[in-house]
Amino acid sequence: GAGVSQSPRYKVAKRGQDVALRCDPISGHVSLFWYQQALGQGPEFLTYFQNEAQLDKSGLPSDRFFAERPEGSVSTLKIQRTQQEDSAVYLCASSLGGSGRVRETQYFGPGTRLLVL
Amino acid sequence: GESVGLHLPTLSVQEGDNSIINCAYSNSASDYFIWYKQESGKGPQFIIDIRSNMDKRQGQRVTVLLNKTVKHLSLQIAATQPGDSAVYFCAENRGDYKLSFGAGTTVTVRA
Repeated sequence: GAGVSQSPRYKVAKRGQDVALRCDPISGHVSLFWYQQALGQGPEFLTYFQNEAQLDKSGLPSDRFFAERPEGSVSTLKIQRTQQEDSAVYLCASSLGGSGRVRETQYFGPGTRLLVL
Repeated sequence: GESVGLHLPTLSVQEGDNSIINCAYSNSASDYFIWYKQESGKGPQFIIDIRSNMDKRQGQRVTVLLNKTVKHLSLQIAATQPGDSAVYFCAENRGDYKLSFGAGTTVTVRA
């Protein structure tokens, strides 16, 4: 079946420009996560949705970062007034169930590589 | 080949040999651990997981060992193949839905 998809795969933005990154999770998956991966590093948690509810946004680095999942399926990560330090790969992951203490596998998309010039 | 000690960023292994990738985790409250494989230009791919009530778990050609006493996790890959060349991350779950990833080990398989 189809996995997690993300678009665009690559994005070049000029400093100060706004960008929007899209994530299509696996159909039926309740939980959706965004991670940021700097070059040579492991992914870092940004935010978590359970259906349309954003339950945790503690990893968002600044108020320039905003995420939404209005209908509980597709999610968009928006970065306003991009800065060079925002250059990274942005990964989306989804898992089947909700949170609580259930440990479920998170399935990752291919990521969007953002380069801010 | 083996990445010895807490963590080595790279591991070179001869095709057909066994690989051992080590990972130290920091939080004694972590109760779920996962190994991911990330190939160039792709997202992390789930390999195998283990819960804290287990010491060992086996999959197809892979085995994960967990030593909670010293907070150490290892991934063993049997008969390493060229397709195993990738960056391997261990991740820990600290009691909620968040995954905390290690720095990663780059495995290169020599023909």
